[in-house]
Amino acid sequence: SQTIHQWPATLVQPVGSPLSLECTVEGTSNPNLYWYRQAAGRGLQLLFYSVGIGQISSEVPQNLSASRPQDRQFILSSKKLLLSDSGFYLCAWSGLAGGPSREQFFGPGTRLTVL
Amino acid sequence: KQEVTQIPAALSVPEGENLVLNCSFTDSAIYNLQWFRQDPGKGLTSLLLIQSSQREQTSGRLNASLDKSSGRSTLYIAASQPGDSATYLCAAGHNFNKFYFGSGTKLNVKP
Repeated sequence: SQTIHQWPATLVQPVGSPLSLECTVEGTSNPNLYWYRQAAGRGLQLLFYSVGIGQISSEVPQNLSASRPQDRQFILSSKKLLLSDSGFYLCAWSGLAGGPSREQFFGPGTRLTVL
Repeated sequence: KQEVTQIPAALSVPEGENLVLNCSFTDSAIYNLQWFRQDPGKGLTSLLLIQSSQREQTSGRLNASLDKSSGRSTLYIAASQPGDSATYLCAAGHNFNKFYFGSGTKLNVKP
């Protein structure tokens, strides 16, 4: 069966520091991968998605970037964090990149607090 | 751009009641619609996925319907239980399986 991991689970960082959040998927190949952010009391906002290694699409302009160095690894980064980057970051995957829409499955999330 | 709205934002009911959660979306050109459950501080758990060609999906006490032309979906929960207490999110799916989420309905089922 498929499993999705995210780490770290929680992170407290000062303003201006760098960021690296990692997401890995097990038990599937060539998945679509997604990064979402959830602000307190809000729904999820799609930040980035990837349909293959090295292929990244951004949904909203922001202080963050994403990379996919391996088929089942998705990384969210920032060079300098802002207070507004605080939130709950969720990684998700779905099957058959580029194919018919499939169900999305989510990781446990990373709670980021920028002070 | 797709806008997804969920009503009500919060709901409190006594155990055993049947209830309906509403979701509306502005762009009817969706591939599918998915309902999720989120417990506090946790990730999302998929409940039901309805393809755009389908009218409804059922799983246990849950039934989700989709009226694509009117831009609406409902999640029906039968015989609610305290363990159903959570935030319920709907998401409209587009190309590349990109999903756009509503802000959720926070459900509290009282024993």
